Amino acid sequence: NAGVTQTPKFQVLKTGQSMTLQCAQDMNHEYMSWYRQDPGMGLRLIHYSVGAGITDQGEVPNGYNVSRSTTEDFPLRLLSAAPSQTSVYFCASSRTGDTQYFGPGTRLTVL
Amino acid sequence: AQTVTQSQPEMSVQEAETVTLSCTYDTSENNYYLFWYKQPPSRQMILVIRQEAYKQQNATENRFSVNFQKAAKSFSLKISDSQLGDTAMYFCACHMDSNYQLIWGAGTKLIIKP
Repeated sequence: NAGVTQTPKFQVLKTGQSMTLQCAQDMNHEYMSWYRQDPGMGLRLIHYSVGAGITDQGEVPNGYNVSRSTTEDFPLRLLSAAPSQTSVYFCASSRTGDTQYFGPGTRLTVL
Repeated sequence: AQTVTQSQPEMSVQEAETVTLSCTYDTSENNYYLFWYKQPPSRQMILVIRQEAYKQQNATENRFSVNFQKAAKSFSLKISDSQLGDTAMYFCACHMDSNYQLIWGAGTKLIIKP
């Protein structure tokens, strides 16, 4: 099993550009989520999904969109990148909603 | 609001020693789960141990064990016979049954010295 995979591993954007961070899991988990990790802080929830077709906002959703058309995939879209979105982004999945398994992360820099 | 507090920004111990990382949390709920995650320099977030609040027995996973004090809202992690590979950031987190969010502490940087 690959578990949770994320692409790309690194990305540099210019202010105003858009992009999509990819996340996929092969564990047939219903729950998936996106977090960002800033220096000196724990993770903060951006968006989450409790199943295909169902998404909801977390703590810091502004500037990000998500969709969940399949159980396996949960892409995160940055609409118009800003320097404040420079961060490390983690995708996670869970079978039951509590214990979450994380992907390797994407380091994003916005210039 | 639910919060998770890790009061030790950094700790260091000699290899083979035992170390305890502290975590306190605040919630008014009865059903919740507590976790310790490890984040080595590779950045991968790795689940170390999980505790269900309704279970009185402390969780253990090989060299890792917790001291769960529900009344005091304390959830410390003990690492026995520490190894160089234990060097990492350690995060305490709490999940409430009433919502999906995993509330995180700020982390403790643990350094194991040879």
